[in-house]
Amino acid sequence: LAKTTQPISMDSYEGQEVNITCSHNNIATNDYITWYQQFPSQGPRFIIQGYKTKVTNEVASLFIPADRKSSTLSLPRVSLSDTAVYYCLVGSGYSSASKIIFGSGTRLSIRP
Amino acid sequence: SQTIHQWPATLVQPVGSPLSLECTVEGTSNPNLYWYRQAAGRGLQLLFYSVGIGQISSEVPQNLSASRPQDRQFILSSKKLLLSDSGFYLCAWSKVEGDHRGPEQFFGPGTRLTVL
Repeated sequence: LAKTTQPISMDSYEGQEVNITCSHNNIATNDYITWYQQFPSQGPRFIIQGYKTKVTNEVASLFIPADRKSSTLSLPRVSLSDTAVYYCLVGSGYSSASKIIFGSGTRLSIRP
Repeated sequence: SQTIHQWPATLVQPVGSPLSLECTVEGTSNPNLYWYRQAAGRGLQLLFYSVGIGQISSEVPQNLSASRPQDRQFILSSKKLLLSDSGFYLCAWSKVEGDHRGPEQFFGPGTRLTVL
């Protein structure tokens, strides 16, 4: 599975837009990009998934350039409740082990 | 709808004692099942995964073992706990392979294990 690299931590303020970028230089043709959110003492929660260009849902947007070697999770107008760890993963259902590798993630801290 | 249960929520065990953590999934059949461990402030470490009853794959050599006696039941065990086994244990499930997208995993509430 492709390895991902993302910043260890980020800080922002309420009402701001936050963009977290993930690098995945070795992404395979079949791989999708998936982002999870984890609050303290809880399991990760699926946020958004995409293959190319732009995907938007009620929580976030995901921007993927044409070469797919990176992706950016965009959180519009963050609030204190968006303080969490965000994980970027790449993989596909064709992966032989059906497993997902979680790295250390990006610890996002939102301040008033 | 699907739900995933884990118990106990918290556990304090002495070194050398046995361990049994249970995970059950409702509302789906033949799921892929996973056990993860998360140390404080760290990412998730995949310990075991299972694609079917009795089929267990281990990702990390350790004194832990896993079993899947029923389709929607996944158990994590140890005969003798070590201090390093402390952590937050998460069970997760995903749909069976065949979905061409990256498998979305659904996590349980977790068990916080402290080994003293």
